[in-house]
Amino acid sequence: DTEVTQTPKHLVMGMTNKKSLKCEQHMGHRAMYWYKQKAKKPPELMFVYSYEKLSINESVPSRFSPECPNSSLLNLHLHALQPEDSALYLCASSQDQGQYYGYTFGSGTRLTVV
Amino acid sequence: AQRVTQPEKLLSVFKGAPVELKCNYSYSGSPELFWYVQYSRQRLQLLLRHISRESIKGFTADLNKGETSFHLKKPFAQEEDSAMYYCALGRAGSYQLTFGKGTKLSVIP
Repeated sequence: DTEVTQTPKHLVMGMTNKKSLKCEQHMGHRAMYWYKQKAKKPPELMFVYSYEKLSINESVPSRFSPECPNSSLLNLHLHALQPEDSALYLCASSQDQGQYYGYTFGSGTRLTVV
Repeated sequence: AQRVTQPEKLLSVFKGAPVELKCNYSYSGSPELFWYVQYSRQRLQLLLRHISRESIKGFTADLNKGETSFHLKKPFAQEEDSAMYYCALGRAGSYQLTFGKGTKLSVIP
């Protein structure tokens, strides 16, 4: 298995809803990432988990809450989002720090906040 | 601070013509450079990494430390090369990857 799988592919949620995005990989990668990508823009790093511990939080608002239950899974819990949070949310993974191998990206969850 | 600059938002070439997508970087340490490609409605994929010096789908990229560049080249463009291309900079010992703003390549039949 050489893929990163993200579910759901599409999500529409109200500003008072609570939802979760899921990401899974079975490549034995020990680093996992959440990125946010707005239309026609490059991905922006949100969070990095390394060996199941939060390594980097790029000053993301607390309405986004990451969780790494085990080395294969990464969740992003969403609560009280704003319409401007609508974007494509990408999960990625890498062998350790990834500087030699690059990242493997999932196909993303397209989130619309109404 | 590290920065990646892709000066062209859009690049249009005719099929069979040579392609060069420019990427310049700013980083004081030893850079790790990548090219990622995103075809329409598909996931972001790693195309090339400088450390491997490989050729993928006819594309090559050479790191020029003197000019701080990592331009992506292909001698003969194909229609299926039409996509968004991102240059990305990583730092040794870091998890962070800095992306350029991307260049949309359009190959005209």
